[in-house]
Amino acid sequence: NAGVTQTPKFQVLKTGQSMTLQCAQDMNHEYMSWYRQDPGMGLRLIHYSVGAGITDQGEVPNGYNVSRSTTEDFPLRLLSAAPSQTSVYFCASSSPGLLSTQYFGPGTRLTVL
Amino acid sequence: AQKVTQAQTEISVVEKEDVTLDCVYETRDTTYYLFWYKQPPSGELVFLIRRNSFDEQNEISGRYSWNFQKSTSSFNFTITASQVVDSAVYFCALSGGAGGTSYGKLTFGQGTILTVHP
Repeated sequence: NAGVTQTPKFQVLKTGQSMTLQCAQDMNHEYMSWYRQDPGMGLRLIHYSVGAGITDQGEVPNGYNVSRSTTEDFPLRLLSAAPSQTSVYFCASSSPGLLSTQYFGPGTRLTVL
Repeated sequence: AQKVTQAQTEISVVEKEDVTLDCVYETRDTTYYLFWYKQPPSGELVFLIRRNSFDEQNEISGRYSWNFQKSTSSFNFTITASQVVDSAVYFCALSGGAGGTSYGKLTFGQGTILTVHP
């Protein structure tokens, strides 16, 4: 199993550009989430999904869109990038239930100029 | 609202010293889970331990041990005889809720940067 994969690993954007961060998992997990990591603030939840076709907002959703058309994929879209979105982005997946543990992808380092 | 506080921003120790990382949490949920993750300099997040709110039994895994106390809402992590390879950022996290969907959402602390010097 590849686990949770994310592409790209690094990305530089100019203000106003759009892009999609890709996330895929091959563990048949129902739950998938996106977090951003900023210095001194830990990881904060952006959006999450409890299954195909179902998404919801996390703590910091503004400026980001998500959709979940398949169990495996959970892309994160930045429609108009801003310097405040410079961060490291992590995707995670888990199975539902009391014993679930979130497994994280390797992260995408995004810089918005 | 849930909250996790790791009051220690940075800790520096010399190899072979014991070190304890503090974690205090706030939640109104009666059922919840606590986690510790390690983030080495390479950047990935490595799962270390999960503890549920019904199990206050302390756990030891090699040089690692965890002390969960509901009375003080704390879930502290101790590394015994620290090694240089333990140098990393350590995150405490919380998930919970009576509804099953909450288990897919983690609230993280700010992280503690641990540096172990040779």
